[in-house]
Amino acid sequence: DVKVTQSSRYLVKRTGEKVFLECVQDMDHENMFWYRQDPGLGLRLIYFSYDVKMKEKGDIPEGYSVSREKKERFSLILESASTNQTSMYLCASSTVRGMGNQPQHFGDGTRLSIL
Amino acid sequence: AQKVTQAQTEISVVEKEDVTLDCVYETRDTTYYLFWYKQPPSGELVFLIRRNSFDEQNEISGRYSWNFQKSTSSFNFTITASQVVDSAVYFCALSEAGGGGATNKLIFGTGTLLAVQP
Repeated sequence: DVKVTQSSRYLVKRTGEKVFLECVQDMDHENMFWYRQDPGLGLRLIYFSYDVKMKEKGDIPEGYSVSREKKERFSLILESASTNQTSMYLCASSTVRGMGNQPQHFGDGTRLSIL
Repeated sequence: AQKVTQAQTEISVVEKEDVTLDCVYETRDTTYYLFWYKQPPSGELVFLIRRNSFDEQNEISGRYSWNFQKSTSSFNFTITASQVVDSAVYFCALSEAGGGGATNKLIFGTGTLLAVQP
């Protein structure tokens, strides 16, 4: 089974801090994604990466950056945390092998509170 | 533009009732993929099914079934004889097919919270 592991289930940080959310997958997947989930808005894509050191902006990249130095690890960085970044953050990965668009596999999520 | 609409925000049923979750999508592509995910209270999204735009056959897996109709741009999900363990948020998602090495970006609906009462 695919395993996507996020470093923390719950995290509390202060406004202005630099925050790192880590995600690791063990299936040699090429693609990795970061989403945030908010009530009534569903999941919104922040950034994604289709290869090491490659990144693409999603729908809501403002205030975030990412890093992918190794294939299995994709980090989300909040450069200067603000209260409106309080949310559930979900990491996902998928492969390009096989026919058609393969499903994304998700981690358990990190519930981040910015005080 | 791509869009997925799940008009039902919350549904409450009593155990053993059948329930259908609606999903309507918009896309200009002729090749695309549709997905359903389940998010139980624990938080992890669990993949349930993938459908491509060329395959309109309905699918049944145990108590779950999916009805894909291109004519109405709908991909509805039915749970037969619902159980308390089915209580979760269910998301429908759309992915447009890319070339080789597609990044499989997903557009999600806002989700439907299903509460199954004992």
